[in-house]
Amino acid sequence: AQRVTQPEKLLSVFKGAPVELKCNYSYSGSPELFWYVQYSRQRLQLLLRHISRESIKGFTADLNKGETSFHLKKPFAQEEDSAMYYCALKLSGGYQKVTFGIGTKLQVIP
Amino acid sequence: DSGVTQTPKHLITATGQRVTLRCSPRSGDLSVYWYQQSLDQGLQFLIQYYNGEERAKENILERFSAQQFPDLHSELNLSSLELGDSALYFCASSRGGLDIQYFGAGTRLSVL
Repeated sequence: AQRVTQPEKLLSVFKGAPVELKCNYSYSGSPELFWYVQYSRQRLQLLLRHISRESIKGFTADLNKGETSFHLKKPFAQEEDSAMYYCALKLSGGYQKVTFGIGTKLQVIP
Repeated sequence: DSGVTQTPKHLITATGQRVTLRCSPRSGDLSVYWYQQSLDQGLQFLIQYYNGEERAKENILERFSAQQFPDLHSELNLSSLELGDSALYFCASSRGGLDIQYFGAGTRLSVL
């Protein structure tokens, strides 16, 4: 069965510092990877998907199949980045459920 | 606003009771997904419907049931409630079964 691991429940960084939210997955096939974000008192929303290869709000994520990782990175953290971040995996093809990691709370200290 | 509507926003009930959570997907979306978010378990997938048919199911207790109606709204029924059922229940919808999911604001269930 597929699994998504986010090893850090809480990550605190200072404003302007680089951010890396870790995500590792276990699945031997070709998954689709996503990052969702939940700001305080707001609903969960899609931040990035690996097939888009885009940068949203300064965040990027590269799928590393060799290391089965999909870490989320931003070179300079901003206070408004403080939120819960969830890494998610969906098997490609068919009607497949999305498996979420437990989430990492990013706290950007002013 | 993602367009996914969940009602009610908050629900407080007692053990042993039954509740119904409702979800209206975005206009045009055929798939509806239900998730449970608790402090220690994170966000767990429960069940997915596509155009009225159940497509995938996991982590869903026998006390829980769901359905998607012809107008595509969905209901999640939780019965014989236990303290451990207290959680945030999210609904999400997508155009098909393969697309990006858009989440509702959730229903916070408190079982006392």
